[in-house]
Amino acid sequence: NAGVTQTPKFRVLKTGQSMTLLCAQDMNHEYMYWYRQDPGMGLRLIHYSVGEGTTAKGEVPDGYNVSRLKKQNFLLGLESAAPSQTSVYFCASRAPTGFHGYTFGSGTRLTVV
Amino acid sequence: AQKITQTQPGMFVQEKEAVTLDCTYDTSDQSYGLFWYKQPSSGEMIFLIYQGSYDEQNATEGRYSLNFQKARKSANLVISASQLGDSAMYFCAMREKYVNGGATNKLIFGTGTLLAVQP
Repeated sequence: NAGVTQTPKFRVLKTGQSMTLLCAQDMNHEYMYWYRQDPGMGLRLIHYSVGEGTTAKGEVPDGYNVSRLKKQNFLLGLESAAPSQTSVYFCASRAPTGFHGYTFGSGTRLTVV
Repeated sequence: AQKITQTQPGMFVQEKEAVTLDCTYDTSDQSYGLFWYKQPSSGEMIFLIYQGSYDEQNATEGRYSLNFQKARKSANLVISASQLGDSAMYFCAMREKYVNGGATNKLIFGTGTLLAVQP
């Protein structure tokens, strides 16, 4: 089925460990986004990409890195996980045109202990 | 900077009644888009309704309507005839099309309103 797939769905990390979250979309969308959701704070933008090979910082980029080597994939990396990065992470993608073209993944629940 | 404000952390409504969820926004852009998303307890983000800044008519989608008051910078969601399945978190969001002349189409979210529909 067409859409946005996030892997993994759940993960527990120890402080200081690293990991990569994968977002894959098969809709040929140009724009891709990584958000984190914390209680009482809504969704906050971490990083985004407006096309293959491009990345840009969002509202809360510290402690994260991203890469968009292929158009369909947007990777979010945590080099040294901290308890403050415990959150639910959502990936979204959007076509260049169309007002309700945002498609969200099902989320990744990350716990850092 | 663009900002979305949802001042109702939680709301209760009786089944079959209508409910209004408040959303105000702040932007200096002339062209923007406003969205409402529903997030049930299962966690997925479900698109409900969209309103463009140049749209003269309020958007409607089934039982959902968006009360768009441009001068007041408000975009309230109205749910008519509430159902138990409407119990969820609701997010208002605004699309920021450009940053420093470059297209971004970022979605900026409010903090959400948790709606509980009571039988």
